Amino acid sequence: DAGITQSPRHKVTETGTPVTLRCHQTENHRYMYWYRQDPGHGLRLIHYSYGVKDTDKGEVSDGYSVSRSKTEDFLLTLESATSSQTSVYFCAISVKDREPDTQYFGPGTRLTVL
Amino acid sequence: DQQVKQNSPSLSVQEGRISILNCDYTNSMFDYFLWYKKYPAEGPTFLISISSIKDKNEDGRFTVFLNKSAKHLSLHIVPSQPGDSAVYFCAASAGANNLFFGTGTRLTVIP
Repeated sequence: DAGITQSPRHKVTETGTPVTLRCHQTENHRYMYWYRQDPGHGLRLIHYSYGVKDTDKGEVSDGYSVSRSKTEDFLLTLESATSSQTSVYFCAISVKDREPDTQYFGPGTRLTVL
Repeated sequence: DQQVKQNSPSLSVQEGRISILNCDYTNSMFDYFLWYKKYPAEGPTFLISISSIKDKNEDGRFTVFLNKSAKHLSLHIVPSQPGDSAVYFCAASAGANNLFFGTGTRLTVIP
């Protein structure tokens, strides 16, 4: 258990509405990540953070923004949700001082955009 | 373009037998490889990893083999147990912050 929680766990929203997903960790890890999981694609990186206010884009960042104002929280925002953003979203942390690039995942948020 | 491929979407194995899950990759810069297990409605759970300087790593019933020349890795589970039934993802890293995942293989262990 990496001490990661995600909220909400499930959300249904309508096209064009803003949505924010929250990832919270309790162990003060520096690196945090947002992935989406879709059939036929595995997990793909959306954005990641390497510290407070330090973020960078991943493979599928279009349509998403992130913020990290505190070490423990990493927020993912869909400014105007589209049906193509229906997915399961996973937050992850890595413990880089122990194992290179091993990431530990939260329980996920299932988002449906109608 | 998928840099990490798991060509078998599903695998069924009898309890007590060996399960072999395969993964191929295309990027020769990958130097760290991982396997994750995922149950429905849960996040992926880290299982085992291997660095490119090794060709084998064992942890209990799980062994990962790496063949760098073939750009291929495999996960062996011996003996397989019904609780091992899950989706298994392989992932690879080139030392940066991005893990590249395969599409997953659903393992079913038949009691």
